[in-house]
Amino acid sequence: AQKVTQAQTEISVVEKEDVTLDCVYETRDTTYYLFWYKQPPSGELVFLIRRNSFDEQNEISGRYSWNFQKSTSSFNFTITASQVVDSAVYFCALSFPWANNLFFGTGTRLTVIP
Amino acid sequence: IAGITQAPTSQILAAGRRMTLRCTQDMRHNAMYWYRQDLGLGLRLIHYSNTAGTTGKGEVPDGYSVSRANTDDFPLTLASAVPSQTSVYFCASSESREGRSRQFFGPGTRLTVL
Repeated sequence: AQKVTQAQTEISVVEKEDVTLDCVYETRDTTYYLFWYKQPPSGELVFLIRRNSFDEQNEISGRYSWNFQKSTSSFNFTITASQVVDSAVYFCALSFPWANNLFFGTGTRLTVIP
Repeated sequence: IAGITQAPTSQILAAGRRMTLRCTQDMRHNAMYWYRQDLGLGLRLIHYSNTAGTTGKGEVPDGYSVSRANTDDFPLTLASAVPSQTSVYFCASSESREGRSRQFFGPGTRLTVL
């Protein structure tokens, strides 16, 4: 079975702090894809990143970085120097070549306090 | 139009009534999806369509039906609404049905069934 766990339901940080959102996945497949989406208060889901299972290279995009570790089945997301605009619900998701959908975690609500 | 539009934005519906949620994309994507988002459960797939003329059931299809008469439109129908269908509904599309394809999401429809 495939499953995505986001154990942190809610996180609050003060502006400019760094924060890491955890994502742990379960699968027996060797080929899979991991995603992060952001859902701001407006409600629309915004794509952030996709990684495939054969590429464990970490990625950095501005203040955002992602740490993919197959050994621990984790795909964690770090925001450096958080800003109020980062306040949102963040979803980690898993997919497969054979799948018709994304398997979502339950999301982590991040609140950045000014 | 740019991306995915959904209508209505929100709706309050009496139990037992029929309701169709509309979804239109202008990206000429082959695959389209309907998800529902419930607190603590993340997003779950209701139905999908890999290409115009075909549809399939997702994780939670009961009480819902879809059609895909053309590439752009993918309406979701609740034949006889029940309170448990109170949720936020998201339509999504991707270039192909392959699991690695990035999904683009619409703004959502908030549905309340009383």
